[in-house]
Amino acid sequence: DVKVTQSSRYLVKRTGEKVFLECVQDMDHENMFWYRQDPGLGLRLIYFSYDVKMKEKGDIPEGYSVSREKKERFSLILESASTNQTSMYLCASSLTGGGGYNEQFFGPGTRLTVL
Amino acid sequence: AQTVTQSQPEMSVQEAETVTLSCTYDTSESDYYLFWYKQPPSRQMILVIRQEAYKQQNATENRFSVNFQKAAKSFSLKISDSQLGDAAMYFCAYNSGGYNKLIFGAGTRLAVHP
Repeated sequence: DVKVTQSSRYLVKRTGEKVFLECVQDMDHENMFWYRQDPGLGLRLIYFSYDVKMKEKGDIPEGYSVSREKKERFSLILESASTNQTSMYLCASSLTGGGGYNEQFFGPGTRLTVL
Repeated sequence: AQTVTQSQPEMSVQEAETVTLSCTYDTSESDYYLFWYKQPPSRQMILVIRQEAYKQQNATENRFSVNFQKAAKSFSLKISDSQLGDAAMYFCAYNSGGYNKLIFGAGTRLAVHP
């Protein structure tokens, strides 16, 4: 069974704090993704990584950074949290290749509230 | 750029009835994949069904089937014999390959009434 885990289900932080969200997958997937999910907007891609130490910006990277030092772990960093970053954050992983066939496997999500 | 549109924010269905969720997309590519994902309340998102664009036959997975109209860029999901456990957010997604990036629609919240 593919398992993608996220470090916290719920997180409350203050404006200006540095926030780390961690994601771990146990299926040796090359690709990992960070999304934010907002009502009426669906899931929007923040960053993704296709290999260790490799990262690419998604559609909404502003205010975020990522780190992938090990294949199984992909971290999302909010350098200085702001209230407009209050959201649900979803991590996902997938095999590479497949021409688009490969499904993404999702973590349970972290609901982040920035006060 | 590719876009995915789900025009029904909410739908409801009676248990044992059939419901169809709509999805349209925009792309200039000819080869791609389309997905329906399900996100139950407080649970992880899971794949429901996928469709390869070059296959004319509609995909089916048990009670779930799609109506894929490539020319119309339409990809609807039909749930037959609806069950209480089908209540969830349903997301339509597009993937053109590469790094397997997905482009999601806004989602449709499905309620199932006993």
